[in-house]
Amino acid sequence: AQKITQTQPGMFVQEKEAVTLDCTYDTSDQSYGLFWYKQPSSGEMIFLIYQGSYDEQNATEGRYSLNFQKARKSANLVISASQLGDSAMYFCAMTNSGYSTLTFGKGTMLLVSP
Amino acid sequence: NAGVTQTPKFRILKIGQSMTLQCTQDMNHNYMYWYRQDPGMGLKLIYYSVGAGITDKGEVPNGYNVSRSTTEDFPLRLELAAPSQTSVYFCASIFSGGDNEQFFGPGTRLTVL
Repeated sequence: AQKITQTQPGMFVQEKEAVTLDCTYDTSDQSYGLFWYKQPSSGEMIFLIYQGSYDEQNATEGRYSLNFQKARKSANLVISASQLGDSAMYFCAMTNSGYSTLTFGKGTMLLVSP
Repeated sequence: NAGVTQTPKFRILKIGQSMTLQCTQDMNHNYMYWYRQDPGMGLKLIYYSVGAGITDKGEVPNGYNVSRSTTEDFPLRLELAAPSQTSVYFCASIFSGGDNEQFFGPGTRLTVL
């Protein structure tokens, strides 16, 4: 069975600073995918970034990067130059090579202050 | 494209009532999913479908049923609603041969009293 652990219930960061949201995972599969989703207070799920288990380079999407450390089974999200609009709940999730079903962590609430 | 649409947006049910949550996607995605999100928690998989006529259980299927008669639609049926089914329900879809992003609907907020 797959498991995602997010140990930070909440994080605070000042505008324009960088922040790292932690995610560790557990799986016996060799092929899997790691995702980060953002959920603002309005409730929708917004895809941020994806990392495949065989990808050698860390994924980047604009201000988002995924720090993938396979041996440590960690997939931390780094947000550079935080903005007030980044305040939201962030979920780490993973899928295996089967039918792309997602297993989610409990999330981290990020608050960005001016 | 409208993407993934869900109806209704909100619903209040009494214990023992039944209802169907509707989900439709117009992206010709073959895989579709239902997740529930309890307060302060991540999403959990209820059921999924890999094509018309094919469905399978996820992590929390008890109290729910699904069907997939067309590629576009994947309704979720709640029979004999219970307070434990108070949650936000998300439908999602993906094309198995494409990008890895699952597209989520806006969610249905269900309260069972």
